[in-house]
Amino acid sequence: GQSLEQPSEVTAVEGAIVQINCTYQTSGFYGLSWYQQHDGGAPTFLSYNALDGLEETGRFSSFLSRSDSYGYLLLQELQMKDSASYFCAVRGRDTGRRALTFGSGTRLQVQP
Amino acid sequence: DAGITQSPRYKITETGRQVTLMCHQTWSHSYMFWYRQDLGHGLRLIYYSAAADITDKGEVPDGYVVSRSKTENFPLTLESATRSQTSVYFCASSESTTSDRRYNEQFFGPGTRLTVL
Repeated sequence: GQSLEQPSEVTAVEGAIVQINCTYQTSGFYGLSWYQQHDGGAPTFLSYNALDGLEETGRFSSFLSRSDSYGYLLLQELQMKDSASYFCAVRGRDTGRRALTFGSGTRLQVQP
Repeated sequence: DAGITQSPRYKITETGRQVTLMCHQTWSHSYMFWYRQDLGHGLRLIYYSAAADITDKGEVPDGYVVSRSKTENFPLTLESATRSQTSVYFCASSESTTSDRRYNEQFFGPGTRLTVL
């Protein structure tokens, strides 16, 4: 089967940098994605990595190491509006290569 | 441009009743998904569909039924609701594409909060 582990909570201050880690186990690997979800809202797509290395999208970057089955989401210049839950997700062979398996989420609290 | 909508947004029902949650998307996306979200479990896949009349089980399909007679609709039915099915249900869609990034980008509806008493 597939499983993902990420910290349950992270706290950081406005303007700082925070890294949210994700380790995964999957049979077959077709990419690691990150989603953001504000309280009461729907998840929204942030980033995707299929190959090793760093992908940058504005203040957000995502990193993947396939050999370590590990990735992270890096948020720079934190803003209060970044307070949300962040989920990593993998596509693997178990769910027909199309569906995603999500981690339990990391709740990020940004403090003034 | 409605995108992806779900109805109802909130539903309270009783144990043993049948409940249908509706999902409609206007993008003509090939793929549609149903997830449930419970505290401490993240999002768990119930069923997904690759196209009209093609559906497949996800991680937690027991007690649920889906159908997809039209590309834009993907209803989820709880045949006999149980208290353990109290949850927030999200429908999502994604397009069929050769772009790896877009292949992984799922668009989520606003969710249905279901309470089974």
